[in-house]
Amino acid sequence: QQPVQSPQAVILREGEDAVINCSSSKALYSVHWYRQKHGEAPVFLMILLKGGEQKGHEKISASFNEKKQQSSLYLTASQLSYSGTYFCGTEIPPAGNEKLTFGTGTRLTIIP
Amino acid sequence: DGGITQSPKYLFRKEGQNVTLSCEQNLNHDAMYWYRQDPGQGLRLIYYSQIVNDFQKGDIAEGYSVSREKKESFPLTVTSAQKNPTAFYLCASSMVDSPLHFGNGTRLTVT
Repeated sequence: QQPVQSPQAVILREGEDAVINCSSSKALYSVHWYRQKHGEAPVFLMILLKGGEQKGHEKISASFNEKKQQSSLYLTASQLSYSGTYFCGTEIPPAGNEKLTFGTGTRLTIIP
Repeated sequence: DGGITQSPKYLFRKEGQNVTLSCEQNLNHDAMYWYRQDPGQGLRLIYYSQIVNDFQKGDIAEGYSVSREKKESFPLTVTSAQKNPTAFYLCASSMVDSPLHFGNGTRLTVT
């Protein structure tokens, strides 16, 4: 089952905050977040694991609500470089990258 | 620097022809994957391989074939049986329980 991302698109001014949500209808083992700039490879941002462990880098945070089977990505004080399409990938048990199902993406545009 | 190389970046073919997309990685990753990306549909898994000489179908394998003769290489053939082959194709690799590393993709146009 493909996770649902919201919003589908958002436009922000530089310095504003954004929240991107990812919801699943199934119990999740983990949620992966990637960012893709137009015509480029998706780049890994973060993994959120069941049980609360979080692995990632960059100045971006996220939460994982296991009960609600959803994750939210928080972008604070957005920079122009944050522009791109954000994908969540949900992993259901038994886990493995081959079990990742990606959402349709959230297009984020940052304007000066 | 280690990474994943996909070639070519753009590929044009006539309908009815098979075409092979190249994917090479020098990250020493065990697993490799092929995804298809269409506008508004996210990434969909075509095939994956966790070890050399073994591969598994993903969600949309019909009309595609792969081989994994070397750890570094995982070419994808789009056959004439694929009904709608025009798309952006992404190759990725990973170690077990580690994030995916993606190549820059190949945009295939079939007319």
